[in-house]
Amino acid sequence: DQQVKQNSPSLSVQEGRISILNCDYTNSMFDYFLWYKKYPAEGPTFLISISSIKDKNEDGRFTVFLNKSAKHLSLHIVPSQPGDSAVYFCAANTDKLIFGTGTRLQVFP
Amino acid sequence: NAGVTQTPKFRILKIGQSMTLQCTQDMNHNYMYWYRQDPGMGLKLIYYSVGAGITDKGEVPNGYNVSRSTTEDFPLRLELAAPSQTSVYFCATLAAGELFFGEGSRLTVL
Repeated sequence: DQQVKQNSPSLSVQEGRISILNCDYTNSMFDYFLWYKKYPAEGPTFLISISSIKDKNEDGRFTVFLNKSAKHLSLHIVPSQPGDSAVYFCAANTDKLIFGTGTRLQVFP
Repeated sequence: NAGVTQTPKFRILKIGQSMTLQCTQDMNHNYMYWYRQDPGMGLKLIYYSVGAGITDKGEVPNGYNVSRSTTEDFPLRLELAAPSQTSVYFCATLAAGELFFGEGSRLTVL
């Protein structure tokens, strides 16, 4: 049973446009969420997080939105750059991190 | 500061062989984790440890064993390798709600 779901396995966006990556979760007890970015042949690296007491968190070009009633969060990247091409994982933190299946983002010129 | 170091980076095993994936961290973090990443499946937790001498099962522990005799080391052992264990394995530590990953170990079982 997948508790954290990323229903889009891939996303292709033109450079300069907005990338929106989505994530849904099933457990209303989850209270902290993180996004990780992964390049090929490297371990995932932390990107941005959000606590359930907030509905938005920004860090430069990256913004995460949380809709607790819908159990949904999204990562917005504006403007998208070719270097953003990677696999993005959302994760929910309980006593351990539970990861989604990932979305492969490709940003083309 | 090396962070999280995993060895080996690549390994090919025959069915039934055993091996240990090594993980070492120099950040003095108590929490350590082993994940496996399969295509389209995200990262699945195998085992984790909240401190030296304490380990617990994650989502997919079957076929694996771990030990945590020191804060620094958290080795993952495969006793009887099976093709289903072909995967990329990541070790990670946790601090302030954030996971720090090693570079991964790609294991192929033939």
